[in-house]
Amino acid sequence: DAGVIQSPRHEVTEMGQEVTLRCKPISGHDYLFWYRQTMMRGLELLIYFNNNVPIDDSGMPEDRFSAKMPNASFSTLKIQPSEPRDSAVYFCASSLLPSGSQPQHFGDGTRLSIL
Amino acid sequence: QQQVKQSPQSLIVQKGGISIINCAYENTAFDYFPWYQQFPGKGPALLIAIRPDVSEKKEGRFTISFNKSAKQFSLHIMDSQPGDSATYFCAAQRGGGADGLTFGKGTHLIIQP
Repeated sequence: DAGVIQSPRHEVTEMGQEVTLRCKPISGHDYLFWYRQTMMRGLELLIYFNNNVPIDDSGMPEDRFSAKMPNASFSTLKIQPSEPRDSAVYFCASSLLPSGSQPQHFGDGTRLSIL
Repeated sequence: QQQVKQSPQSLIVQKGGISIINCAYENTAFDYFPWYQQFPGKGPALLIAIRPDVSEKKEGRFTISFNKSAKQFSLHIMDSQPGDSATYFCAAQRGGGADGLTFGKGTHLIIQP
């Protein structure tokens, strides 16, 4: 079975450019999560969706960040304009049920570098 | 505010030894405590998890010990192997699982042959 698929795996772009990260969750999963991983702050929850509806976006750093889930098989995380401090590894995860009952399955991440 | 504190930051253990990683949490609303394992270039993967109504859970060489009154939990890896070398994250979740995970900062574990 295919796991969570993220693209691109690596992204290098200049400050001020728009960045779009993509995620395809495991088919049939109801929950989708976006996390960010940095050396300083570790793994942080940015936003999560249930049945394509955003439930909690309190972890989104600022208005430059936005996330959408237009359908059950696709989500995007967009940064506009990007800044060097946005450099991090961004992970998408999905789960079938609330995670207490089922684990969150993570993709292999997008390594983002903003120059 | 760091809601889940993890220690040590790094750990070196000889092959066959016991690896112990500790975590402490602050929010008493947390009701699910998983451990994740991460290899370089990969996403975290669930290793083992526990709920606060039990004090210990064992799966193979991996054991979680949970102390609800102290708000602490730990991961023990028995008979540690070089293949266990990875970064380990403790995490906590509330709301019966209908919420995101709050992670500790991670422990970089090296098992020396």
